[in-house]
Amino acid sequence: GQQLNQSPQSMFIQEGEDVSMNCTSSSIFNTWLWYKQEPGEGPVLLIALYKAGELTSNGRLTAQFGITRKDSFLNISASIPSDVGIYFCAGQRGSARQLTFGSGTQLTVLP
Amino acid sequence: DTAVSQTPKYLVTQMGNDKSIKCEQNLGHDTMYWYKQDSKKFLKIMFSYNNKELIINETVPNRFSPKSPDKAHLNLHINSLELGDSAVYFCASSPLDRGRETQYFGPGTRLLVL
Repeated sequence: GQQLNQSPQSMFIQEGEDVSMNCTSSSIFNTWLWYKQEPGEGPVLLIALYKAGELTSNGRLTAQFGITRKDSFLNISASIPSDVGIYFCAGQRGSARQLTFGSGTQLTVLP
Repeated sequence: DTAVSQTPKYLVTQMGNDKSIKCEQNLGHDTMYWYKQDSKKFLKIMFSYNNKELIINETVPNRFSPKSPDKAHLNLHINSLELGDSAVYFCASSPLDRGRETQYFGPGTRLLVL
């Protein structure tokens, strides 16, 4: 079953606002990945995190690997209309190379 | 150039038919995957496969079978399609980089079973 709790489920924000979303789990993960999916497309990798406490940026996006290894957050600063989409966290546990996905955060940016 | 490609993008078929979805990656990755995304957008792993190992999610019906003619291709064959198989199916691939898993997704195949 699903092991990642992602929140919020959806967000409606004004253009220019900052956004924060997070994923938590009762299990320890070795890797946290953040993806964005636009309508009709596949998920696109935004940021990859491999070390507890790691903070990584990609343009206006910043993500952190929680120190307990059981959570991660993604921040988007100064949102723009093209940030619209579904953002997914994904985690990898143990030696298995399979990912477990969160349920997604649907982001809507209002002009 | 598309890194992970899938065909077809849309597939509409009748219940009971057998169909295949093709996936190709030109990234030189060693492992490929199939995911199913349901109507609530939840992504669930179905298979992971490299030339040494096939890992099957235990919840996947045996009507679904991956077939890999070579390292760059992993096709998904579905027998006796059912209404509940309607979903978006994504292929993905990843390089072997121990401790640094990343996966790259194709554009998806939208399957509708009537």
